[in-house]
Amino acid sequence: DAGVTQSPTHLIKTRGQQVTLRCSPKSGHDTVSWYQQALGQGPQFIFQYYEEEERQRGNFPDRFSGHQYPNYSSELNVNALLLGDSALYLCASSTSRTLYGYTFGSGTRLTVV
Amino acid sequence: QQQVKQSPQSLIVQKGGISIINCAYENTAFDYFPWYQQFPGKGPALLIAIRPDVSEKKEGRFTISFNKSAKQFSLHIMDSQPGDSATYFCAATNAGGTSYGKLTFGQGTILTVHP
Repeated sequence: DAGVTQSPTHLIKTRGQQVTLRCSPKSGHDTVSWYQQALGQGPQFIFQYYEEEERQRGNFPDRFSGHQYPNYSSELNVNALLLGDSALYLCASSTSRTLYGYTFGSGTRLTVV
Repeated sequence: QQQVKQSPQSLIVQKGGISIINCAYENTAFDYFPWYQQFPGKGPALLIAIRPDVSEKKEGRFTISFNKSAKQFSLHIMDSQPGDSATYFCAATNAGGTSYGKLTFGQGTILTVHP
Protein backbone atom coordinates (compact mmCIF):
# COMPACT_ATOMS: atom_id res chain seq x y z
CA ASP A 1 0.00 0.00 0.00
CA ALA A 2 1.72 3.15 -1.21
CA GLY A 3 1.89 6.04 1.20
CA VAL A 4 1.96 9.69 0.23
CA THR A 5 4.00 10.24 -2.92
CA GLN A 6 5.58 13.58 -3.79
CA SER A 7 7.41 14.68 -6.91
CA PRO A 8 9.97 15.79 -7.71
CA THR A 9 12.23 15.01 -4.73
CA HIS A 10 14.60 17.88 -5.44
CA LEU A 11 14.27 21.03 -7.52
CA ILE A 12 16.45 24.05 -8.21
CA LYS A 13 14.79 27.22 -9.52
CA THR A 14 15.89 30.77 -10.21
CA ARG A 15 14.45 33.74 -8.34
CA GLY A 16 11.33 35.04 -10.09
CA GLN A 17 10.44 31.73 -11.70
CA GLN A 18 7.35 29.63 -11.04
CA VAL A 19 7.28 26.07 -9.68
CA THR A 20 4.71 23.27 -9.43
CA LEU A 21 5.00 20.48 -6.88
CA ARG A 22 2.86 17.35 -6.97
CA CYS A 23 1.35 15.04 -4.37
CA SER A 24 -0.52 11.75 -4.56
CA PRO A 25 -2.32 10.96 -1.30
CA LYS A 26 -2.38 7.66 0.48
CA SER A 27 -5.01 5.24 -0.79
CA GLY A 28 -8.35 5.96 0.86
CA HIS A 29 -7.46 9.53 1.82
CA ASP A 30 -9.47 12.43 0.40
CA THR A 31 -7.86 15.47 2.06
CA VAL A 32 -4.47 16.96 1.21
CA SER A 33 -2.57 19.53 3.26
CA TRP A 34 0.65 21.31 2.28
CA TYR A 35 3.38 22.48 4.63
CA GLN A 36 6.61 24.45 4.25
CA GLN A 37 9.53 23.38 6.42
CA ALA A 38 12.48 25.75 6.49
CA LEU A 39 15.83 24.34 7.56
CA GLY A 40 15.90 23.71 11.29
CA GLN A 41 12.25 24.67 11.79
CA GLY A 42 8.95 22.93 12.26
CA PRO A 43 6.55 22.60 9.32
CA GLN A 44 4.31 25.60 8.66
CA PHE A 45 0.78 25.02 7.32
CA ILE A 46 0.20 26.48 3.85
CA PHE A 47 -3.29 25.28 2.92
CA GLN A 48 -5.60 22.29 2.76
CA TYR A 49 -7.72 20.88 -0.06
CA TYR A 50 -10.87 18.81 0.23
CA GLU A 51 -13.43 18.08 -2.50
CA GLU A 52 -11.26 20.04 -4.96
CA GLU A 53 -11.57 23.25 -2.94
CA GLU A 54 -9.24 25.12 -0.60
CA ARG A 55 -10.79 24.51 2.81
CA GLN A 56 -8.42 26.53 4.97
CA ARG A 57 -5.26 28.51 4.56
CA GLY A 58 -2.27 29.46 6.68
CA ASN A 59 -0.41 32.76 6.69
CA PHE A 60 1.11 32.55 3.22
CA PRO A 61 0.87 35.10 0.38
CA ASP A 62 -1.23 34.64 -2.74
CA ARG A 63 1.91 33.61 -4.62
CA PHE A 64 1.18 30.21 -3.11
CA SER A 65 -1.76 28.48 -4.77
CA GLY A 66 -2.96 24.95 -5.17
CA HIS A 67 -5.29 22.55 -6.84
CA GLN A 68 -6.90 19.22 -6.09
CA TYR A 69 -8.03 16.85 -8.80
CA PRO A 70 -11.00 14.43 -8.75
CA ASN A 71 -8.61 11.55 -7.95
CA TYR A 72 -7.60 13.52 -4.79
CA SER A 73 -4.06 14.25 -6.04
CA SER A 74 -2.89 17.80 -5.51
CA GLU A 75 -0.50 20.44 -6.77
CA LEU A 76 1.23 23.33 -5.03
CA ASN A 77 2.17 26.27 -7.24
CA VAL A 78 4.49 29.06 -6.19
CA ASN A 79 4.87 32.12 -8.40
CA ALA A 80 7.58 34.80 -8.42
CA LEU A 81 9.95 32.69 -6.36
CA LEU A 82 12.00 34.38 -3.65
CA LEU A 83 15.21 33.15 -2.08
CA GLY A 84 13.23 32.72 1.15
CA ASP A 85 10.97 30.16 -0.52
CA SER A 86 13.83 27.66 -0.34
CA ALA A 87 12.54 24.89 1.93
CA LEU A 88 11.27 21.34 2.16
CA TYR A 89 7.65 21.25 0.99
CA LEU A 90 5.63 18.51 2.62
CA CYS A 91 2.32 17.07 1.58
CA ALA A 92 0.12 15.29 4.11
CA SER A 93 -3.00 13.30 3.38
CA SER A 94 -5.84 12.28 5.62
CA THR A 95 -9.53 11.45 5.54
CA SER A 96 -12.21 13.99 6.19
CA ARG A 97 -13.53 11.86 9.05
CA THR A 98 -10.54 11.45 11.34
CA LEU A 99 -7.06 12.84 11.96
CA TYR A 100 -5.74 9.42 12.88
CA GLY A 101 -3.63 8.25 9.98
CA TYR A 102 -2.63 11.79 8.99
CA THR A 103 0.37 10.82 6.83
CA PHE A 104 3.23 12.90 5.46
CA GLY A 105 5.19 12.34 2.29
CA SER A 106 8.98 12.65 2.17
CA GLY A 107 8.75 16.10 0.66
CA THR A 108 10.19 18.11 -2.20
CA ARG A 109 13.39 20.01 -1.47
CA LEU A 110 13.15 23.35 -3.32
CA THR A 111 16.22 25.51 -3.68
CA VAL A 112 15.83 29.03 -5.11
CA VAL A 113 19.04 30.60 -6.42
CA GLN B 1 -2.25 32.45 20.17
CA GLN B 2 -1.51 29.78 17.59
CA GLN B 3 2.03 29.09 18.82
CA VAL B 4 3.37 25.86 20.19
CA LYS B 5 6.67 26.29 22.02
CA GLN B 6 9.02 23.31 22.27
CA SER B 7 12.11 22.71 24.38
CA PRO B 8 14.93 21.85 24.45
CA GLN B 9 16.26 22.57 20.96
CA SER B 10 18.68 19.67 21.26
CA LEU B 11 19.12 16.77 23.65
CA ILE B 12 21.89 14.24 24.15
CA VAL B 13 21.10 11.05 26.05
CA GLN B 14 23.02 7.88 26.78
CA LYS B 15 21.67 4.55 25.54
CA GLY B 16 19.13 3.24 28.03
CA GLY B 17 18.38 6.67 29.44
CA ILE B 18 15.13 8.66 29.44
CA SER B 19 14.59 11.42 26.89
CA ILE B 20 12.11 14.15 27.84
CA ILE B 21 10.83 16.84 25.45
CA ASN B 22 8.40 19.53 26.53
CA CYS B 23 5.81 21.63 24.72
CA ALA B 24 3.51 24.46 25.73
CA TYR B 25 0.55 25.88 23.85
CA GLU B 26 -1.62 28.97 24.11
CA ASN B 27 -4.76 28.21 22.12
CA THR B 28 -7.28 26.55 24.45
CA ALA B 29 -9.26 25.38 21.41
CA PHE B 30 -6.56 22.82 20.61
CA ASP B 31 -7.90 19.34 21.34
CA TYR B 32 -5.50 16.94 19.62
CA PHE B 33 -1.78 16.77 20.36
CA PRO B 34 0.42 14.48 18.23
CA TRP B 35 4.15 13.90 18.37
CA TYR B 36 6.13 13.31 15.18
CA GLN B 37 9.55 11.80 14.52
CA GLN B 38 11.54 12.95 11.51
CA PHE B 39 14.69 11.42 10.08
CA PRO B 40 16.90 13.33 7.62
CA GLY B 41 15.43 13.35 4.12
CA LYS B 42 12.08 12.01 5.32
CA GLY B 43 8.73 13.49 6.22
CA PRO B 44 7.46 13.52 9.81
CA ALA B 45 6.00 10.22 11.00
CA LEU B 46 3.36 10.03 13.73
CA LEU B 47 4.66 8.53 16.97
CA ILE B 48 1.84 8.95 19.44
CA ALA B 49 -1.03 11.36 20.03
CA ILE B 50 -3.25 12.39 22.93
CA ARG B 51 -6.56 14.16 23.51
CA PRO B 52 -6.99 16.46 26.56
CA ASP B 53 -9.51 14.18 28.27
CA VAL B 54 -6.65 11.96 29.50
CA SER B 55 -3.49 12.93 31.41
CA GLU B 56 -1.21 10.23 30.07
CA LYS B 57 -0.93 7.86 27.14
CA LYS B 58 1.67 5.14 26.72
CA GLU B 59 2.63 3.19 23.62
CA GLY B 60 5.64 0.96 24.04
CA ARG B 61 8.62 3.07 25.11
CA PHE B 62 6.83 6.33 24.30
CA THR B 63 4.62 8.18 26.80
CA ILE B 64 2.80 11.50 26.51
CA SER B 65 2.02 13.37 29.70
CA PHE B 66 -0.62 16.09 29.41
CA ASN B 67 -1.36 18.94 31.83
CA LYS B 68 -4.47 20.76 30.62
CA SER B 69 -4.46 23.47 33.32
CA ALA B 70 -0.85 24.39 32.58
CA LYS B 71 -1.37 23.99 28.82
CA GLN B 72 1.70 21.80 28.62
CA PHE B 73 2.47 18.33 27.32
CA SER B 74 5.61 16.26 27.11
CA LEU B 75 7.07 13.22 25.40
CA HIS B 76 9.04 10.68 27.40
CA ILE B 77 11.16 8.09 25.60
CA MET B 78 12.13 5.30 27.96
CA ASP B 79 15.19 3.10 27.41
CA SER B 80 16.39 5.42 24.61
CA GLN B 81 18.21 3.70 21.75
CA PRO B 82 20.65 5.01 19.10
CA GLY B 83 17.92 4.32 16.51
CA ASP B 84 15.77 6.94 18.28
CA SER B 85 18.23 9.64 17.16
CA ALA B 86 16.05 11.96 15.08
CA THR B 87 14.22 15.28 15.23
CA TYR B 88 11.02 15.27 17.26
CA PHE B 89 8.15 17.69 16.80
CA CYS B 90 5.14 18.29 18.95
CA ALA B 91 2.03 19.60 17.25
CA ALA B 92 -1.51 20.67 18.06
CA THR B 93 -4.78 21.23 16.27
CA ASN B 94 -8.48 21.76 16.83
CA ALA B 95 -9.65 18.42 15.50
CA GLY B 96 -13.30 19.17 16.05
CA GLY B 97 -13.39 22.69 14.73
CA THR B 98 -12.85 24.80 11.67
CA SER B 99 -9.09 24.31 11.77
CA TYR B 100 -9.46 20.54 11.41
CA GLY B 101 -6.31 19.09 9.92
CA LYS B 102 -4.28 22.26 10.32
CA LEU B 103 -1.39 21.22 12.52
CA THR B 104 0.60 23.84 14.41
CA PHE B 105 4.11 22.50 15.04
CA GLY B 106 6.73 23.25 17.64
CA GLN B 107 10.24 24.21 16.57
CA GLY B 108 11.64 20.71 16.95
CA THR B 109 14.13 18.90 19.20
CA ILE B 110 17.18 17.16 17.80
CA LEU B 111 17.70 14.01 19.89
CA THR B 112 21.05 12.22 19.87
CA VAL B 113 21.33 8.91 21.71
CA HIS B 114 24.92 7.82 22.31
CA PRO B 115 25.65 4.07 22.39
